[in-house]
Amino acid sequence: DTAVSQTPKYLVTQMGNDKSIKCEQNLGHDTMYWYKQDSKKFLKIMFSYNNKELIINETVPNRFSPKSPDKAHLNLHINSLELGDSAVYFCASSHDLTSGRTNEQYFGPGTRLTVT
Amino acid sequence: GESVGLHLPTLSVQEGDNSIINCAYSNSASDYFIWYKQESGKGPQFIIDIRSNMDKRQGQRVTVLLNKTVKHLSLQIAATQPGDSAVYFCAENMSNDYKLSFGAGTTVTVRA
Repeated sequence: DTAVSQTPKYLVTQMGNDKSIKCEQNLGHDTMYWYKQDSKKFLKIMFSYNNKELIINETVPNRFSPKSPDKAHLNLHINSLELGDSAVYFCASSHDLTSGRTNEQYFGPGTRLTVT
Repeated sequence: GESVGLHLPTLSVQEGDNSIINCAYSNSASDYFIWYKQESGKGPQFIIDIRSNMDKRQGQRVTVLLNKTVKHLSLQIAATQPGDSAVYFCAENMSNDYKLSFGAGTTVTVRA
């Protein structure tokens, strides 16, 4: 009954590999996000999709590509992994902000990516 | 225990005492604020929120205070328990903006 789920929870891979992280939410939300949390716990937005449309695309290397097959899923694909990509990646979701809704975001459990 | 000033990265609190975690936000146009709790190995968990038309909001054992004049937000936890040990983040947001801006986080440790 987890509201926002991510797979895998841990991902260890070598430099140069390509990997994907999957996210699903069952809250009926229209908007989904990817965040990166570094070793100092700083949370930084990477991407956001609203109704399958990209609405936030921060300064992220183009090796990172999000894909939203439907409103309940937002996957993150990373090409040519680098050491600096090691971090915890969080998926989140929220309601659409139309009709005066607040931007209360619900987070998944995170995926710890380690690049060796 | 209290984190004084703009931001302190850590706060140590005796079990049963009240905790106060402070946060300074940067954007005077922000009108919605959230406090999140992140336990070790887990994702951030929503605690309480407040809109800018309020200066105080209470939840279960938690109170958020907002001072728009000095752009300051605080989270008060009453009768702190061991389960309150976590990293606490404040986040600010403008209406109709999907982007939440997170503060640096305060690590709260509860002493038995």
